[in-house]
Amino acid sequence: GENVEQHPSTLSVQEGDSAVIKCTYSDSASNYFPWYKQELGKGPQLIIDIRSNVGEKKDQRIAVTLNKTAKHFSLHITETQPEDSAVYFCAASIYNQGGKLIFGQGTELSVKP
Amino acid sequence: EAGVVQSPRYKIIEKKQPVAFWCNPISGHNTLYWYLQNLGQGPELLIRYENEEAVDDSQLPKDRFSAERLKGVDSTLKIQPAELGDSAVYLCASSSQGAEQFFGPGTRLTVL
Repeated sequence: GENVEQHPSTLSVQEGDSAVIKCTYSDSASNYFPWYKQELGKGPQLIIDIRSNVGEKKDQRIAVTLNKTAKHFSLHITETQPEDSAVYFCAASIYNQGGKLIFGQGTELSVKP
Repeated sequence: EAGVVQSPRYKIIEKKQPVAFWCNPISGHNTLYWYLQNLGQGPELLIRYENEEAVDDSQLPKDRFSAERLKGVDSTLKIQPAELGDSAVYLCASSSQGAEQFFGPGTRLTVL
């Protein structure tokens, strides 16, 4: 089955700096890669996703890149703000097959003012 | 538009007691998921429903866990009897035709 590895487990940056979180997956059939942000006491919130027919997607300060050959994808947050502090999860699945999401272990991002 | 609703938000019970969680998905979403999230880890799927049919329950511990989605809308997840190791957050998510999944706030279960 699919296995998703996520690094780093914790990340601390200064406000205004960039943050990068990386994930690798094992199943070449996976074609959908969402990223979730989870704040304390809340459920995961979908912030951006990418499908395997594109290599990069951007939404304001957030971007995701995908390398299908190497089976890895990354989340990039630019101009970080204290409100970006949260736990971020990557996941992989097969889109539109109702497939279960296989999550990474999470990255706790801390943005220091 | 309302998001996924879950209740209760918190539940504390003693071991061997039963407990039930309720989920109301986003209106029009035919796919409903129950995930288990242990502290410091990512969510793990317990069961997936397409309308009222459970299409993936391979990760559900069927000796003590059960779930239902009788009318293809709301769903209930039950544990009977609860064990200490069941302490976790139980998340419900929904999607339309198996696309993007949206999560509820979760129910935090503590078993004493």
